Amino acid sequence: DAGVTQSPTHLIKTRGQQVTLRCSPKSGHDTVSWYQQALGQGPQFIFQYYEEEERQRGNFPDRFSGHQFPNYSSELNVNALLLGDSALYLCASSLEGGLNSPLHFGNGTRLTVT
Amino acid sequence: GDSVTQMEGPVTLSEEAFLTINCTYTATGYPSLFWYVQYPGEGLQLLLKATKADDKGSNKGFEATYRKETTSFHLEKGSVQVSDSAVYFCALTPPRGATNKLIFGTGTLLAVQP
Repeated sequence: DAGVTQSPTHLIKTRGQQVTLRCSPKSGHDTVSWYQQALGQGPQFIFQYYEEEERQRGNFPDRFSGHQFPNYSSELNVNALLLGDSALYLCASSLEGGLNSPLHFGNGTRLTVT
Repeated sequence: GDSVTQMEGPVTLSEEAFLTINCTYTATGYPSLFWYVQYPGEGLQLLLKATKADDKGSNKGFEATYRKETTSFHLEKGSVQVSDSAVYFCALTPPRGATNKLIFGTGTLLAVQP
């Protein structure tokens, strides 16, 4: 049973560029959340997708956008990259159902913006 | 707003020593509380959780008790092993949230020496 898989594992981009990160949820899960983890910090909630719609959003600018596909996989897009966007981006999946559905995290995508 | 504060690290212990990592939270009402662990190069793994006051979460020898009166959820283990070396995150899910969004502390690095 595959867990949450993310691609790519590492990525280097230049300021101003755009990036797309991908996530496949754990088998049977239908909800995907994205988190940003800066070096030495705890993860910060970006947004959550369920039924192909953004259900909740954290305090991130519109440069951060996402998408969920009918097979429940998801993409995170970041436009006009800034140096401060350098971080580990974590995807987490769960079943729709709130507190009774624990989050399962992938190993993350390490994004470096130069 | 809702937040989590945990003790700064690193915490360095010898094998078989007693571990305490302090965590306090700010939230209106009764959030659910979690401890996650992050091993080097990996994503987050749920270690334990508690969903109501006075609940004790436990797993792999780790324990934490939900204390409403002190708004705390301290992590303890009686005898640590080298394999416990990792970063530990305390987190909460807001009590009135529409999703299972997590708010994390900044993490505490634990280094266990043989």
